[in-house]
Formats: sequence, structure tokens, C-alpha cells
Amino acid sequence: AQKVTQAQTEISVVEKEDVTLDCVYETRDTTYYLFWYKQPPSGELVFLIRRNSFDEQNEISGRYSWNFQKSTSSFNFTITASQVVDSAVYFCALSGGYDRGSTLGRLYFGRGTQLTVWP
Amino acid sequence: KAGVTQTPRYLIKTRGQQVTLSCSPISGHRSVSWYQQTPGQGLQFLFEYFSETQRNKGNFPGRFSGRQFSNSRSEMNVSTLELGDSALYLCASSFTPSGANVLTFGAGSRLTVL
Repeated sequence: AQKVTQAQTEISVVEKEDVTLDCVYETRDTTYYLFWYKQPPSGELVFLIRRNSFDEQNEISGRYSWNFQKSTSSFNFTITASQVVDSAVYFCALSGGYDRGSTLGRLYFGRGTQLTVWP
Repeated sequence: KAGVTQTPRYLIKTRGQQVTLSCSPISGHRSVSWYQQTPGQGLQFLFEYFSETQRNKGNFPGRFSGRQFSNSRSEMNVSTLELGDSALYLCASSFTPSGANVLTFGAGSRLTVL
């Protein structure tokens, strides 16, 4: 079964610090997709990144970067020089089931990491 | 381009009542899925609709139901409300049901059951 673990429940940093949010996943599928979403206090989940299981290239987008390692089943997210506006709950999610064809469109979410950035 | 619209945003019900939540997807998106978010269970998949057909269903009791209309708008209904149904209900849309697609979420409907 698909499973996502975000071991860090809460993280607090001071502005301009770098912070890494961990995500470990479990799946028996060979084809799957990983996502990161951000949930600000308004409640809406905002898409940050998607990565498929065949693309292990790390990605950088401004202050955000992602490290995907299939060998350790991890998809970690780093914010460089954090800002107060980065304060939110961050969710890692996994889709898949292509090998079994039974979970189209469904995402399995981790429990989320509450990031607080203090000025 | 309008985002995913959910109504109502907030509502309060009492145990035993029923509730209907509405979701209007992004124009052109034909797949709508629903998630329940609670502090205890996190984000859990409820169901997914595509072309007016339920394509996938999570592990929720039959009190939770939904439907999709020909214009892709979707509604979910919860009957005989229980205290544990208090949650943020999030709707998301995408072009198709593929798990490869990015889901665009609405702001949610926050249900409080007293």
C-alpha cells in the first residue's frame, strides 16, 4: 500500500535560516508520482512540485529545492533563506497504483510539517 | 482563470442532520476529488468523479456520498452527521483522473458538528 511519512510535526526557524522538510514514502509500484503542497492558514492546498519515479534529478526553483532519492525512498524539500511568508503546513503526497490500475487520481498524503518562520 | 470554488466556506450543523457541500472545478477540468482533513487523521481521500461517474472511493461509511453533474460541478453529502465529521472538506480538480495530474484545490468547506 502507498504510505507517506513526514516525521517532523513542527519546525521553527528564524528568518534567513535554511530548513529541510523530510518525506519518506513506501510503495510497491514502479511508476508513481510525488508531490509537495503548501497549506497556508487560509486552508487552500497550493501545489509546489511534482516528480515522477523515473526522474531523480534534483530541482531548484528560487529558494526552494527538492532532493529525490529512490534508494532511500525519500523526497526532501529545502527552503533556503527562509522568510516569514514561508510559514505554513507542508504536505508531501504520493500517487500511483499504475502497476495495479486501481488508484487513479488519488493522492496519499503525509501528516504534514508545520513550519513557523520567526522574524 | 477562476480557481476551484467551494461553498459554503463555513457551516455549523448538529448531530443527526445532513449537509451538502458544493464544488465548482476550474473551467475545462473534468475530474473532481474530495478529501477530508482532520487533526486526528490528516488528509484522507473520500472519492473521485469523472464524467459524472464515481471512479474511486476511499474508506468512508456510506453516509458519505457524492455526485457530479454534466458541467463537472460536484456535490458531496453527509447524512446523519456525527461529531467526528467535523473537518475541513477539500475539493480538488484536474483535467483527468490520472494520478500524474496536478490537483488544484479549493479553499475548503469547514464543517462543525455540534
